Amino acid sequence: NAGVTQTPKFQVLKTGQSMTLQCAQDMNHNSMYWYRQDPGMGLRLIYYSASEGTTDKGEVPNGYNVSRLNKREFSLRLESAAPSQTSVYFCASSEWASSYNEQFFGPGTRLTVL
Amino acid sequence: DQQVKQNSPSLSVQEGRISILNCDYTNSMFDYFLWYKKYPAEGPTFLISISSIKDKNEDGRFTVFLNKSAKHLSLHIVPSQPGDSAVYFCAASGGNFGNEKLTFGTGTRLTIIP
Repeated sequence: NAGVTQTPKFQVLKTGQSMTLQCAQDMNHNSMYWYRQDPGMGLRLIYYSASEGTTDKGEVPNGYNVSRLNKREFSLRLESAAPSQTSVYFCASSEWASSYNEQFFGPGTRLTVL
Repeated sequence: DQQVKQNSPSLSVQEGRISILNCDYTNSMFDYFLWYKKYPAEGPTFLISISSIKDKNEDGRFTVFLNKSAKHLSLHIVPSQPGDSAVYFCAASGGNFGNEKLTFGTGTRLTIIP
């Protein structure tokens, strides 16, 4: 049982390049999330998918796109990377109920944009 | 507008003593609160949670207290151990933010001094 996996672990891009961050979960969760963590800013929600076939913007969606490929996989795409997107990206999943949302996180992808 | 605030970026506590981490929130509609622990180069992991219908929840060395009138929660760790050194995030869900999303604080770095 791997939980939430993310690839790659590290990536360096040049400004303007594109890339896709991959995330997969094996817990049969309905909901999946992408966060970024920056110093002094905590975890900020980029996009989320409450269930297969749906995606919604979070707090900081500009410059990103997402795809919920199936129940297991949720990818995050940077079409034209900018230095402001240098961050650590975390994927998470959960099976939220009426008042409970324990999210399980992947190990993160450290992205540097030069 | 920071809905969940952790005003202490860092805290140092001697091993064996009590660690108290604080969190304030502004949205009275939040009805579920969680604490996450994060080690360097790893994803956050769930630690303990509390529903707004309770004022205390205990799990081993960890206790979370909720004061709804003050919109304040705290995490107590007794006794503190070196392995508790990590960054701690509080998070909230519910109300007009919905139960499927979490709003995180900026984190407090706890250092346990041997």
